Amino acid sequence: QVQLQQWGAGLLKPSETLSLTCAVYGGSFSGYYWSWIRQPPGKGLEWIGEINHSGSTNYNPSLKSRVTISVDTSKNQFSLKLSSVTAADTAVYYCARGGVAAAGPYYYYYMDVWGKGTTVTVSS
Amino acid sequence: SSELTQDPAVSVALGQTVRITCQGDSLRSYYASWYQQKPGQAPVLVIYGKNNRPSGIPDRFSGSSSGNTASLTITGAQAEDEADYYCNSRDSSGNPPDVVFGGGTKLTVL
Repeated sequence: QVQLQQWGAGLLKPSETLSLTCAVYGGSFSGYYWSWIRQPPGKGLEWIGEINHSGSTNYNPSLKSRVTISVDTSKNQFSLKLSSVTAADTAVYYCARGGVAAAGPYYYYYMDVWGKGTTVTVSS
Repeated sequence: SSELTQDPAVSVALGQTVRITCQGDSLRSYYASWYQQKPGQAPVLVIYGKNNRPSGIPDRFSGSSSGNTASLTITGAQAEDEADYYCNSRDSSGNPPDVVFGGGTKLTVL
């Protein structure tokens, strides 16, 4: 059974860089999209970006200028860096495994495995 | 970019049937996936594809789609189904397509 274990600093000052890592246990790294998602207090889910096993990335346009997602396939880990954080970046950050498949004329995308979440607070 | 729109809140009497909807242009190309999130927990996938349930998800959860609208139906809602529900797909207008979430629906079981 695939599990994701995530870690990183939970308290940052404004202008610092958020750094989180997610390790994949019990499954293959290839063939999937590995995403970061965040959830501000009391709000909904926001996709931050994703990476695949070959290192191709795709970022939310609203965060693209500050986000870097990287992968270390030798360790089955992927990481998130978000620069120049402000209080608006305070949120629970999740890593997740995503898959895409075709079903007739449609596609479908799903995130079937999630990390437990890391609470990140930005405060001076 | 494409958006997914959900009603903010829905309520259902215990044991009755409830439908939660999600609208967006991307749903003309992608089936929605649905996630259940309880307070303090990570989201859990409950429906994906045309109408598929991951292992361990009760069969009272089902999904359907028509045009630009996807629906999650809970038939015989239980108290433990009270949670936030999010739909998700990819924005087919982008290259590569971005991942999008609906704003979430808070389900109350009365």
